[in-house]
Amino acid sequence: LAKTTQPISMDSYEGQEVNITCSHNNIATNDYITWYQQFPSQGPRFIIQGYKTKVTNEVASLFIPADRKSSTLSLPRVSLSDTAVYYCLVGDKAGGYNKLIFGAGTRLAVHP
Amino acid sequence: DTGVSQDPRHKITKRGQNVTFRCDPISEHNRLYWYRQTLGQGPEFLTYFQNEAQLEKSRLLSDRFSAERPKGSFSTLEIQRTEQGDSAMYLCASDGTSSYNEQFFGPGTRLTVL
Repeated sequence: LAKTTQPISMDSYEGQEVNITCSHNNIATNDYITWYQQFPSQGPRFIIQGYKTKVTNEVASLFIPADRKSSTLSLPRVSLSDTAVYYCLVGDKAGGYNKLIFGAGTRLAVHP
Repeated sequence: DTGVSQDPRHKITKRGQNVTFRCDPISEHNRLYWYRQTLGQGPEFLTYFQNEAQLEKSRLLSDRFSAERPKGSFSTLEIQRTEQGDSAMYLCASDGTSSYNEQFFGPGTRLTVL
């Protein structure tokens, strides 16, 4: 499974847009890019997934350039409740199941 | 609430004791996963079930660890002769054909071994 690199931590303020970039230089053709969010003392929660170009849902947008060697999670107008750890994962549903490989994630702190 | 429940939420035990955790996945999900998470790290895959069959085990799962999913519904994770290094959050997740690549995680069981 492809290894991912993302910043260890980021700080932002309420109302700002936050962009977290993840590098995955060795992404394979069949790999998808998935982002999870985790609050303290809770399990991770799926945010968004994409294969190429741009994906948007009610929570975030995911931008993937043509070479797919990186991706950017965009959180519009963050609030204090967006303070969490964000994980970028790359992988394929090989063999019909999905063994998630997490890195250390990016700790986002949103300040008033 | 994701629909995946775990019990207990917290467990404190003494070194050398056995502990057992339970996970109840979303009922229509046939795939169930166990992960372990230590402080400051992302979750690490431990094992995977499809229905009642355990199809993959990580090398992290030493012979002191055993997991079961007897009827393809709930699952248990047992740790025998606990060690202080077993202290961690143990997370359960499930998915199925309807959920595509999204896994639904439970709240976890936090184990502290004294």
